[in-house]
Amino acid sequence: RKEVEQDPGPFNVPEGATVAFNCTYSNSASQSFFWYRQDCRKEPKLLMSVYSSGNEDGRFTAQLNRASQYISLLIRDSKLSDSATYLCVVPLSNQAGTALIFGKGTTLSVSS
Amino acid sequence: NAGVTQTPKFRVLKTGQSMTLLCAQDMNHEYMYWYRQDPGMGLRLIHYSVGEGTTAKGEVPDGYNVSRLKKQNFLLGLESAAPSQTSVYFCASRTSSYEQYFGPGTRLTVT
Repeated sequence: RKEVEQDPGPFNVPEGATVAFNCTYSNSASQSFFWYRQDCRKEPKLLMSVYSSGNEDGRFTAQLNRASQYISLLIRDSKLSDSATYLCVVPLSNQAGTALIFGKGTTLSVSS
Repeated sequence: NAGVTQTPKFRVLKTGQSMTLLCAQDMNHEYMYWYRQDPGMGLRLIHYSVGEGTTAKGEVPDGYNVSRLKKQNFLLGLESAAPSQTSVYFCASRTSSYEQYFGPGTRLTVT
């Protein structure tokens, strides 16, 4: 298994839809996880952090399943402005320090 | 508070030329990272630094060198640019709780 894997999509949904993305990770020792959002030709920006079983922020919910080693991101009531690429990030620690490993991202397109 | 800044924003190099990309952060973060992003490949870690004077290799370090002489600056060098290094380069720094902040990126084309 690759360190961080995501379904690349694209996910094409209408406004108002609920959509969910999954991310699987290989390092069972990872304790924290992150979802970033990246708009076209822009830098990634932190969307949500997940330190325990899950986190909720408005229309966005992130859940963690440690047993199966995946995290999910649920977006309810999708808006046009949610169209972006969503990146899953997992810290990977070794003797040299901690690197943050990104998945390749899942592309979401919300249409009217 | 500028966050993370990168210079230059755009650059075109010829094969074999050298250049240095500068990343600066004003958030007093210990950790800094250099990534490259290519279509369909996602963000790949080139090098990172856990503090002033220290650096470590990431996933794709070949052809790049880095230096962290000052805590706020992280430099990425290309000694002899190749067309395969055409990419968008992002620098980031992070908090102690692993939250990363990215610069706006440098778009590099090597012809």
